[in-house]
Amino acid sequence: LAKTTQPISMDSYEGQEVNITCSHNNIATNDYITWYQQFPSQGPRFIIQGYKTKVTNEVASLFIPADRKSSTLSLPRVSLSDTAVYYCPRHSYNTDKLIFGTGTRLQVFP
Amino acid sequence: EAGVTQFPSHSVIEKGQTVTLRCDPISGHDNLYWYRRVMGKEIKFLLHFVKESKQDESGMPNNRFLAERTGGTYSTLKVQPAELEDSGVYFCASSQDFLGGRFFGPGTRLTVL
Repeated sequence: LAKTTQPISMDSYEGQEVNITCSHNNIATNDYITWYQQFPSQGPRFIIQGYKTKVTNEVASLFIPADRKSSTLSLPRVSLSDTAVYYCPRHSYNTDKLIFGTGTRLQVFP
Repeated sequence: EAGVTQFPSHSVIEKGQTVTLRCDPISGHDNLYWYRRVMGKEIKFLLHFVKESKQDESGMPNNRFLAERTGGTYSTLKVQPAELEDSGVYFCASSQDFLGGRFFGPGTRLTVL
């Protein structure tokens, strides 16, 4: 299964909206798109999951275009505590595996 | 609600020794997964239990790795004998069903000298 690809790193400032993109050109029909956040010395933490269009929860929004070859995680008004690595693993419904890529290291500055 | 716990948090062993990692999933979660990240690589799937049964062990690197989940509660991952390339962080995760994401533990950092 092909991994997802993301920018290696991003910088932002407190209070800004951050959009992190993920490319998944070879996504399968039964794959879901998920996003996880990881702090140092911790395991990944689930943020949001979607199949198509837009999903929103109390933490973030997820935008998936009609062709599903990419997705965008939107974090409104980030704070210093949002500094972390963000992953967009493919989640195969058939195999129930998460296929991780390298992740995006987000640094939020004051 | 307690999260996924893993023990030990760190383990340093010599090549050829045996190490056993333990994972306690969230109570009531039938699904338990093991993942690992070796140095400089992505997090990779190792195997998946549904209750006490191995649903998928396609990610297990070789027969030096043995995972068990007796009684469908906690799980152990044994590496015997350990090799240098086994060094990395081993994560356990659990879930109730497909949707809603996976709950990961903090990981066990294994160093093989």
